[in-house]
Amino acid sequence: GIQVEQSPPDLILQEGANSTLRCNFSDSVNNLQWFHQNPWGQLINLFYIPSGTKQNGRLSATTVATERYSLLYISSSQTTDSGVYFCAVMNYGGSQGNLIFGKGTKLSVKP
Amino acid sequence: NAGVTQTPKFQVLKTGQSMTLQCAQDMNHEYMSWYRQDPGMGLRLIHYSVGAGITDQGEVPNGYNVSRSTTEDFPLRLLSAAPSQTSVYFCASSYGASGSQETQYFGPGTRLLVL
Repeated sequence: GIQVEQSPPDLILQEGANSTLRCNFSDSVNNLQWFHQNPWGQLINLFYIPSGTKQNGRLSATTVATERYSLLYISSSQTTDSGVYFCAVMNYGGSQGNLIFGKGTKLSVKP
Repeated sequence: NAGVTQTPKFQVLKTGQSMTLQCAQDMNHEYMSWYRQDPGMGLRLIHYSVGAGITDQGEVPNGYNVSRSTTEDFPLRLLSAAPSQTSVYFCASSYGASGSQETQYFGPGTRLLVL
């Protein structure tokens, strides 16, 4: 099945710094989403981005489907950005509705 | 809209007990699913449904049953709880019946501890 690898596994930032999180996937996808899991465990959908670029405030994401990777950019990080960021994909021909999750990037933003 | 709701938030069971995790959505979504999240890992699909009366197995279905009698509700039943089922359970939904090419929305999760 499709493999999803996220890097780095852990990231520590000072408040105000910028960061880039990466998601590599091993096969063509028709669905790619980025999620933020906050310290209370809730999963928040950040972007649905199987291709192209999107921006939402301080966050933006780019997926280059032909090269099988996606990037999540966080600018001017805040302590509330802390948590785990997951990339999840669904591939053509895969089990219907089955989002395959990476293991996540754990982000800690220090004041 | 309340979105996707789950009850209970936390549950402790003894080995062999049965229970039902509740999931409801008020967005008229066709597609609903259950995932489990284990420490240090992403989420894995247990069961999913593409509409009322239709369910199918995901990646890790053993030990779990589901049914979908209404569009709104998708309960997950543990038939005979085992310590290996200690996990956090998430319910998700999306508008499209296939679940693909759609944003999936997740509930707040149910933390289950099986002793």
